[in-house]
Amino acid sequence: DGGITQSPKYLFRKEGQNVTLSCEQNLNHDAMYWYRQDPGQGLRLIYYSQIVNDFQKGDIAEGYSVSREKKESFPLTVTSAQKNPTAFYLCASTQNGRGRNEKLFFGSGTQLSVL
Amino acid sequence: QQQVKQSPQSLIVQKGGISIINCAYENTAFDYFPWYQQFPGKGPALLIAIRPDVSEKKEGRFTISFNKSAKQFSLHIMDSQPGDSATYFCAADGYGQNFVFGPGTRLSVLP
Repeated sequence: DGGITQSPKYLFRKEGQNVTLSCEQNLNHDAMYWYRQDPGQGLRLIYYSQIVNDFQKGDIAEGYSVSREKKESFPLTVTSAQKNPTAFYLCASTQNGRGRNEKLFFGSGTQLSVL
Repeated sequence: QQQVKQSPQSLIVQKGGISIINCAYENTAFDYFPWYQQFPGKGPALLIAIRPDVSEKKEGRFTISFNKSAKQFSLHIMDSQPGDSATYFCAADGYGQNFVFGPGTRLSVLP
């Protein structure tokens, strides 16, 4: 089955630690996205990538970094500069680039908590 | 300009009743309005979507009503079932834009 796989399901971060969330898709989609979800809030865009080796900041990119070395992979690193990292992180993809009025396909998410 | 407002924040409906969730937007560049359904611990999934050239779209028990002049759209769930209990997000998209999501509505359908 085609889809988006996120891992791990749960992740704990210590003070001053960087952690990396994995996102892999086998849909052959060009564009991939990272969203942050906090209770009672909508999804907020962290970063997106429309093509390999290129990515753009979203609305809340501070304290996060990404890479897109392969079409199917878009890992997100939560750095120690992100002071409030506890949230549910969602990876998504679309067939083409952003703003094309396409269906967003989501992974099952990673819950990140601070120890 | 980029905000999508959504109400109510939470909704409790009896089984068989009608659930109605409302959204409003400001950015006239938006031309695609999807609704996503999310169950606890899962990622959202597309439920139904509408473009502004029509005023209503129906898929089974789910209907979107769209009012372009008022910049408002709503989701109606007919004959609501306990299995519909989830969080619903409206969203807006347009050429050159990023998806903008409403804050979500937590729906509980009582058996």
